[in-house]
Amino acid sequence: GENVEQHPSTLSVQEGDSAVIKCTYSDSASNYFPWYKQELGKRPQLIIDIRSNVGEKKDQRIAVTLNKTAKHFSLHITETQPEDSAVYFCAARNTDKLIFGTGTRLQVFP
Amino acid sequence: GAGVSQSPSNKVTEKGKDVELRCDPISGHTALYWYRQSLGQGLEFLIYFQGNSAPDKSGLPSDRFSAERTGGSVSTLTIQRTQQEDSAVYLCASSLWALLAGGYEQYFGPGTRLTVT
Repeated sequence: GENVEQHPSTLSVQEGDSAVIKCTYSDSASNYFPWYKQELGKRPQLIIDIRSNVGEKKDQRIAVTLNKTAKHFSLHITETQPEDSAVYFCAARNTDKLIFGTGTRLQVFP
Repeated sequence: GAGVSQSPSNKVTEKGKDVELRCDPISGHTALYWYRQSLGQGLEFLIYFQGNSAPDKSGLPSDRFSAERTGGSVSTLTIQRTQQEDSAVYLCASSLWALLAGGYEQYFGPGTRLTVT
């Protein structure tokens, strides 16, 4: 089955700097890759997703890139703000379900 | 409109007792998922329902765990003879039909925090 690895597990950046979180997946048949943000004590919420027919997608300060050959995808957050502090999960869609990475705790210091 | 709801929000139970967790998906969403999130950990897939098809139970950790979905809407996750290692937040999510190419966003409920003493 699909296996998703996510790095780093924790990431601390200064406000205004960029943050990059990377994920790899194992099943080349996976075709949908969402990123979820989970603030402390709250439910995960989708922030951006990418499908396998696209290499990059941007939404304001957030971008995701996908390298199908290497089977890895990354989340890029530019001009980080304290409210970006949360746990971020990547996921890969395998058949009908999402397999999640183990999460990255991002801390943005003012 | 209303999002995914779950009840109870918190449940404390004694080891060995059975518990039932409820999920109300978004109206019209045919796919429903259960996940388990242990403290500080990721999202562990448990079970998936799609319409009237047989559920995908491949993530259930043991035969003490079961789930059903009545009428294609509300779902109940049952844990029998609870153990301390079952303590976690149980999250439910729903989405539109998952088989369409590319998939659809999963909307998560607030979760049920289960504590087994």
